[in-house]
Amino acid sequence: DAKTTQPTSMDCAEGRAANLPCNHSTISGNEYVYWYRQIHSQGPQYIIHGLKNNETNEMASLIITEDRKSSTLILPHATLRDTAVYYCIVRPPLEAGNNRKLIWGLGTSLAVNP
Amino acid sequence: DTGVSQDPRHKITKRGQNVTFRCDPISEHNRLYWYRQTLGQGPEFLTYFQNEAQLEKSRLLSDRFSAERPKGSFSTLEIQRTEQGDSAMYLCASSTNRVPNSPLHFGNGTRLTVT
Repeated sequence: DAKTTQPTSMDCAEGRAANLPCNHSTISGNEYVYWYRQIHSQGPQYIIHGLKNNETNEMASLIITEDRKSSTLILPHATLRDTAVYYCIVRPPLEAGNNRKLIWGLGTSLAVNP
Repeated sequence: DTGVSQDPRHKITKRGQNVTFRCDPISEHNRLYWYRQTLGQGPEFLTYFQNEAQLEKSRLLSDRFSAERPKGSFSTLEIQRTEQGDSAMYLCASSTNRVPNSPLHFGNGTRLTVT
């Protein structure tokens, strides 16, 4: 079973920030939080990942709470092309030698509206 | 763009036929994964290779399914005696162990329809 819970769907106005929440209350100390998105008929696209510090890259920012039980993916200026299903996944480090696979939930379907 | 490449993009086959899909990972990636995704669901793990060694297989991978990565580069996934329940998107992903916690990079999948 997926170790994360996300809202089924969200809406966002074009040009505004999209804040996508994720709960991972059973996360272990060495598990990372990964975010992917999937645009219709395409494969999942990696967005960002983090352990406990906030992270930012050219696509998004990842805010992880101090207790690490939840996180938020922020798309600072959403565009119509950001309409997709967004998946939040927790995963132990590969170097742990176990559970190399990602366990996916149902994700959040984000609709960016003009 | 030297991303993960999958071929074919679409495959329609009749029940009982065999099908084979190909995945070409990012060239410097030594890890390769196969996932399956049905409509409205997240991807489900099928199998994993490090170089040419198949290190992990899901219980979803019945004996009708076989995957190979003979030279540690491209991989093939074969489904024998296809069933309608095999209809799905088959996704390939790759990653490297040279960068800690390197993310998986996915191809755009092969959509299989079994009639």
